[in-house]
Amino acid sequence: QVQLQESGPGLVKPSQTLSLTCTVSDDSLSSGSYYWSWIRQPAGKGLEWIGRMYTSGSPKYNPSLKSRVTISADTSKNQFSLKLSSVTAADTAVYYCARANYDVLTGSRNAFHIWGQGTMVTVSS
Amino acid sequence: QSVLTQPPSVSAAPGQKVTISCSGSSSNIGNNYVSWYQQFPGTAPKLLIYDINNRPSGIPDRFSGSRSGTSATLGITGLQTGDEADYYCGTWDSSLSAVVFGGGTKLTVL
Repeated sequence: QVQLQESGPGLVKPSQTLSLTCTVSDDSLSSGSYYWSWIRQPAGKGLEWIGRMYTSGSPKYNPSLKSRVTISADTSKNQFSLKLSSVTAADTAVYYCARANYDVLTGSRNAFHIWGQGTMVTVSS
Repeated sequence: QSVLTQPPSVSAAPGQKVTISCSGSSSNIGNNYVSWYQQFPGTAPKLLIYDINNRPSGIPDRFSGSRSGTSATLGITGLQTGDEADYYCGTWDSSLSAVVFGGGTKLTVL
């Protein structure tokens, strides 16, 4: 079974850029069968989708974060990454990477079958 | 405020059945596939239901999903104490062009 693993700094200063990487345990990142997302969850609160990427086309971002988010991939390393700029305390959360299966027949692409364990990021000076 | 509305909490006795509702609109639940997730404290969410009513391999048939209009429902039968968790619904919102989630429902098995 494929595994996803988030990594990156656990502490980021306000106004700086949060950078996380998700390492995929197999080479499915370059497969057209999946969409790859970042999702976050502040302590004690619900889930918030940040954005996603696919093997082709432009990444898609949550409109509420679009001006600050960049998602990209390095398929040679089986990794995709998240950059969130100009962070504030409101960006403090557990960040998850997740994989959604893409069903060409039905168009389904938004159910997250595989999740990373999550990584806690705190924004503080 | 979440785009999708879930009750903050539900409860039922062991062995009983419980339903968790997820209310949205025509731009999300009404015209897109719905998924449901189970989350225990300190762990990542786990997919229970996808595409409204499909269960991934390994998910028992005690868990079911349905949709009526702009609302979706997760049903759990034969409740067990191990089902105590937070449950989230999620779907695509065509107006926002974003995946949206409900605020989550805490299930207590009394």
